[in-house]
Amino acid sequence: QSALTQPASVSGSPGQSITISCTGTSSDVGGYNYVSWYQHHPGKAPKLMIYDVTNRPSGVSIRFSGSKSGNTASLTISGLQADDEADYYCGSYTGSSTWVFGGGTKLTV
Amino acid sequence: QLQLQESGPGLVKPWETLSLTCSVSGGSIGSNSNYWGWIRQPPGKGLEWIANIYYSGRTYYNPSLKSRVTISVDTSMDHFSLSLRSVTAADTAVYYCARQVFGNFHFDYWGQGILVTVSS
Repeated sequence: QSALTQPASVSGSPGQSITISCTGTSSDVGGYNYVSWYQHHPGKAPKLMIYDVTNRPSGVSIRFSGSKSGNTASLTISGLQADDEADYYCGSYTGSSTWVFGGGTKLTV
Repeated sequence: QLQLQESGPGLVKPWETLSLTCSVSGGSIGSNSNYWGWIRQPPGKGLEWIANIYYSGRTYYNPSLKSRVTISVDTSMDHFSLSLRSVTAADTAVYYCARQVFGNFHFDYWGQGILVTVSS
């Protein structure tokens, strides 16, 4: 079970769009449509932003969207806002009720 | 609103056992709709899933930690626990508890986390 690969950091200006990638293998990201994304402001509880690759939980802004191609999933944030500045983690189901997460990406706005 | 809160010692000596509890409020831990899990984040690193438990007691472990980990649930007290044996400095991390709804494949509620440092 190796961690999913994310870029260490991304940045963008307010109003712009950014995309964070999450690369795994055919045993996790590529094998299941169960990729989720979490926003984490230090000192707070991680917050679910996207589940099952593309779905947004109730209350999450439509500015957040997810996609997947092969073994790589992506989180796109459009119309960047200052409050979007946080760490973002992807996670994937890996079968047999086990999970793997990414190394995290620090978003600077 | 479901809330999870981790508790336990913030400092553990090497080769001893790390024991944490997650208290659940705003919902029943004994609901057959939920799995409960532990996830950790070492300083400067990403998240690592540790283990899950179903309300019935059925358990699931990260293969890399399985030999040292036990997860348990106490439905009468609405909490679940983590025990990690023979800890080393590599086990220093923020430990989070979280919920996974049965039939879903993500963690929808998380605690704020507790920093556990392994040091003599």
